[in-house]
Amino acid sequence: AQKVTQAQTEISVVEKEDVTLDCVYETRDTTYYLFWYKQPPSGELVFLIRRNSFDEQNEISGRYSWNFQKSTSSFNFTITASQVVDSAVYFCALIKTGGFKTIFGAGTRLFVKA
Amino acid sequence: DTEVTQTPKHLVMGMTNKKSLKCEQHMGHRAMYWYKQKAKKPPELMFVYSYEKLSINESVPSRFSPECPNSSLLNLHLHALQPEDSALYLCASRTGTSGQETQYFGPGTRLLVL
Repeated sequence: AQKVTQAQTEISVVEKEDVTLDCVYETRDTTYYLFWYKQPPSGELVFLIRRNSFDEQNEISGRYSWNFQKSTSSFNFTITASQVVDSAVYFCALIKTGGFKTIFGAGTRLFVKA
Repeated sequence: DTEVTQTPKHLVMGMTNKKSLKCEQHMGHRAMYWYKQKAKKPPELMFVYSYEKLSINESVPSRFSPECPNSSLLNLHLHALQPEDSALYLCASRTGTSGQETQYFGPGTRLLVL
């Protein structure tokens, strides 16, 4: 069975603080993909990143960075120098290679205060 | 271009009404999805169409009827809904090929059933 756990329900930070959102997953599949999506109050899920199970290289995109560690089944997301516009719900998700069903975590609601 | 469009943005309907939600993409994606999302919850899969054929139905009540007229369009026909069906309905699409599992989401339709 597949499972994605986002233990942090809500996080509140002050602007310019760094914040890390945790994601732990479970799967028996040997090949799979991991994702992060952002859902602002408007409702649309915005794709942020995809990582396949073969690629443990960390990735940085502007203020965003992702740390994928297969040994601990974690795919954590860090926002550096957070901004008010980062306030949203962030979902971590998992899908097996060739599959059609994406397993979402419960989401972490991030509040960034000015 | 990774745009998925959905209409209408908002919909209010009575329990005896019949209405339809529409989703469109022009990315050449061959898999399209309907999700239902309640407040403070992750998206919940309803249906998946792959190459215009229904491939996954997550035991959704028959008052929800999906339709895929062509590879770019996905409809969700609604009839005799209940107040608990009030939610954000999200459409998503992806290429349908293994190795291209990233789903791109539309902005959603916020449905209120009175």
